[in-house]
Amino acid sequence: KNEVEQSPQNLTAQEGEFITINCSYSVGISALHWLQQHPGGGIVSLFMLSSGKKKHGRLIATINIQEKHSSLHITASHPRDSAVYICAVRSNDYKLSFGAGTTVTVRA
Amino acid sequence: ETGVTQSPTHLIKTRGQQVTLRCSSQSGHNTVSWYQQALGQGPQFIFQYYREEENGRGNFPPRFSGLQFPNYSSELNVNALELDDSALYLCASSLKTSMETQYFGPGTRLLVL
Repeated sequence: KNEVEQSPQNLTAQEGEFITINCSYSVGISALHWLQQHPGGGIVSLFMLSSGKKKHGRLIATINIQEKHSSLHITASHPRDSAVYICAVRSNDYKLSFGAGTTVTVRA
Repeated sequence: ETGVTQSPTHLIKTRGQQVTLRCSSQSGHNTVSWYQQALGQGPQFIFQYYREEENGRGNFPPRFSGLQFPNYSSELNVNALELDDSALYLCASSLKTSMETQYFGPGTRLLVL
């Protein structure tokens, strides 16, 4: 079983819809990252969380340390949000463990 | 743009060959991590280098090796290539603190035939 599980695996939304991606992990962590990967491979770090909630533009990330769960929300989704969103957890000083990613497609 | 560059962007090799992939860190970053991402999967941690020393390693065989240079750029070497080594290889640079964000390069897509 993977240390990091994401759901759903794929998600299709209409422009303007609210999107939620979930991440559950099974190990103790010092931080959790949400990453965005566009076709072609480039990865961009969206958030790094150790507690609570962070907001950046239309993106909101929350984490519940006790429940070992995090969510990434996209409000007022737009076709340019179409990408693979990856959850990664840091369990020690050097290792990031990644989920398999959620492929988000936003249709105009 | 993260300031992290990788070369080459794409590469085709045959089984048994050797390959060297290169990564230039973001300015001021002394830590480089390498990841392998197979198609449709999340990245898998290969190893990390901090100030020219290997600082941690994932579950990869010894034919995966690396180097970090005094300017903190890095190489990933893979010997005796296997078909399953076909993947996107990503490097990420950071400052070595346990809470630091990693900045990813665009990746090198390796195909082994």
